[in-house]
Amino acid sequence: GQNIDQPTEMTATEGAIVQINCTYQTSGFNGLFWYQQHAGEAPTFLSYNVLDGLEEKGRFSSFLSRSKGYSYLLLKELQMKDSASYLCAAKDSNYQLIWGAGTKLIIKP
Amino acid sequence: DAMVIQNPRYQVTQFGKPVTLSCSQTLNHNVMYWYQQKSSQAPKLLFHYYDKDFNNEADTPDNFQSRRPNTSFCFLDIRSPGLGDAAMYLCATSRPQGIETDTQYFGPGTRLTVL
Repeated sequence: GQNIDQPTEMTATEGAIVQINCTYQTSGFNGLFWYQQHAGEAPTFLSYNVLDGLEEKGRFSSFLSRSKGYSYLLLKELQMKDSASYLCAAKDSNYQLIWGAGTKLIIKP
Repeated sequence: DAMVIQNPRYQVTQFGKPVTLSCSQTLNHNVMYWYQQKSSQAPKLLFHYYDKDFNNEADTPDNFQSRRPNTSFCFLDIRSPGLGDAAMYLCATSRPQGIETDTQYFGPGTRLTVL
């Protein structure tokens, strides 16, 4: 079966760095997405990786290792507004998105 | 600004009373999706349209129907809502570009309450 695993909840301190991990098992692979979702709102696109390596976008970076079926989202200089759920989603061979349940990130002052 | 719009943002209906949720987009994307998302769960794809071609997920109940009268609009009809259908309903759009990314862009969602 197809599956996405990510931690349910993480806590970090304002100004710090946090890494949210995601492992995936899909039938084929055509890229991995990270989305941010604030409580009661829709997911918003953060990043896309299809090749191995690190993609940096401001305070957020995303890493992919296709051989390991592994990705992480790195958030630097955490701000209170970064408190949200972070959803990992992998695209399978049929170009369907397989979604994780999300990691709830709690930022403390 | 180009965007995905959903109306209403909040919908209350009674058990068994049909309800329609709407989605419109100004992105001119040819694919539109409907997702159901319950608290702390992954979004669950109900169906999607690739242009006019309707694609139903195998486990989407018959209680859920959809219409796409044109490129810009898509509707979700719940024929007889049950208490278990209370959720956030998300509309998303994308424009596939071969093997390249087709990022999905979401509307703000409609939170459905069933009394």
